[in-house]
Amino acid sequence: DTAVSQTPKYLVTQMGNDKSIKCEQNLGHDTMYWYKQDSKKFLKIMFSYNNKELIINETVPNRFSPKSPDKAHLNLHINSLELGDSAVYFCASSQVVGLAGNSEQFFGPGTRLTVL
Amino acid sequence: GDSVTQMEGPVTLSEEAFLTINCTYTATGYPSLFWYVQYPGEGLQLLLKATKADDKGSNKGFEATYRKETTSFHLEKGSVQVSDSAVYFCALKKSMSEKLTFGTGTRLTIIP
Repeated sequence: DTAVSQTPKYLVTQMGNDKSIKCEQNLGHDTMYWYKQDSKKFLKIMFSYNNKELIINETVPNRFSPKSPDKAHLNLHINSLELGDSAVYFCASSQVVGLAGNSEQFFGPGTRLTVL
Repeated sequence: GDSVTQMEGPVTLSEEAFLTINCTYTATGYPSLFWYVQYPGEGLQLLLKATKADDKGSNKGFEATYRKETTSFHLEKGSVQVSDSAVYFCALKKSMSEKLTFGTGTRLTIIP
């Protein structure tokens, strides 16, 4: 199936731990994103990479570090996890054609992170 | 900064009822406007979009018209089904940017 996939689907961990969430897309897209959805369903962009280059970096604590080993992967590493990091994290991808702003983003199924 | 305001949920309707979910935006220039839907346990899916004023996006019986004069993009459906139960997000994207700015989402529940 062509899609955006994320692993793991659920992640439960203790405060202070370091964890990673992986994202892969086989749509051939050149741009990938991470979004955070909090407990009230509010959804906000965190990062975006285009061809492995960081192009969007919202006000996110530097404990969060995205890593893009190639165009098809964008992993999210989180250091020293805090209670407030509990959320659902969505990966997305798109193919930028022509002017930026015209692409459609395809979302993964989400990773529910619970910090205890 | 840019923002999107959606009507507060949750919204509960009976099957075959008429649906309206209000969305207004604040942005400079001429953003593209989107409605995304999130079914239980799934990621977001694009439902419809409009890229310029007076455009109407439509899909699966849902419609929304880009109204620049009222800075609105209200979602409508004439007859909802139980399978439409989901969370609906209004969003905007500025030209020359890939950043989507979302509203807070509206949870819709349709009862048989």
